[in-house]
Amino acid sequence: AQSVTQPDIHITVSEGASLELRCNYSYGATPYLFWYVQSPGQGLQLLLKYFSGDTLVQGIKGFEAEFKRSQSSFNLRKPSVHWSDAAEYFCAVDDNNDMRFGAGTRLTVKP
Amino acid sequence: NAGVTQTPKFQVLKTGQSMTLQCAQDMNHNSMYWYRQDPGMGLRLIYYSASEGTTDKGEVPNGYNVSRLNKREFSLRLESAAPSQTSVYFCASSELDGGLGTQYFGPGTRLLVL
Repeated sequence: AQSVTQPDIHITVSEGASLELRCNYSYGATPYLFWYVQSPGQGLQLLLKYFSGDTLVQGIKGFEAEFKRSQSSFNLRKPSVHWSDAAEYFCAVDDNNDMRFGAGTRLTVKP
Repeated sequence: NAGVTQTPKFQVLKTGQSMTLQCAQDMNHNSMYWYRQDPGMGLRLIYYSASEGTTDKGEVPNGYNVSRLNKREFSLRLESAAPSQTSVYFCASSELDGGLGTQYFGPGTRLLVL
């Protein structure tokens, strides 16, 4: 069965520093790929998604992600983190309505 | 637009009790989903409905039933609650199925089974 791995449970970065959150998936074909963000006590909000085409995807709030087929990865990046980016981030993979989420990476932003 | 709404926000049940979690969306979406979120495990799909009148099992359907009452509403029922069903439950909807549509999530229902 397909799976999604987010190797980092918790990451701390300083405000203004760059950020990269890792995501690897295990799946035969190229699935649909997503990054969601969840603030405490809230539902999930879509940051960006990849279906096909350009492997560098731009999302909301200044986030981007790059799909690398050879590495089965879909890492999320942001050049300069803001304090409001502190949240939990989930990578997800969808194969024909079978949506699988990673365990999440919690981001803490230091002032 | 309210988006996706869920009721109740919080519920405490005793083992063996039953309850129904309600979900409604006002975006005229075809597909609706129920997930549970547990610490360290991300979200896991319980059931989904690709269109009105159809439902399908997801990754963790055991112990749950669903009803797609109409295009707007998708309910999740626990017939005999167990402590293992303590979790946060999220409903979501999307315009398209098969991963083509963005899923919009409700605020969640926190369920505690004693």
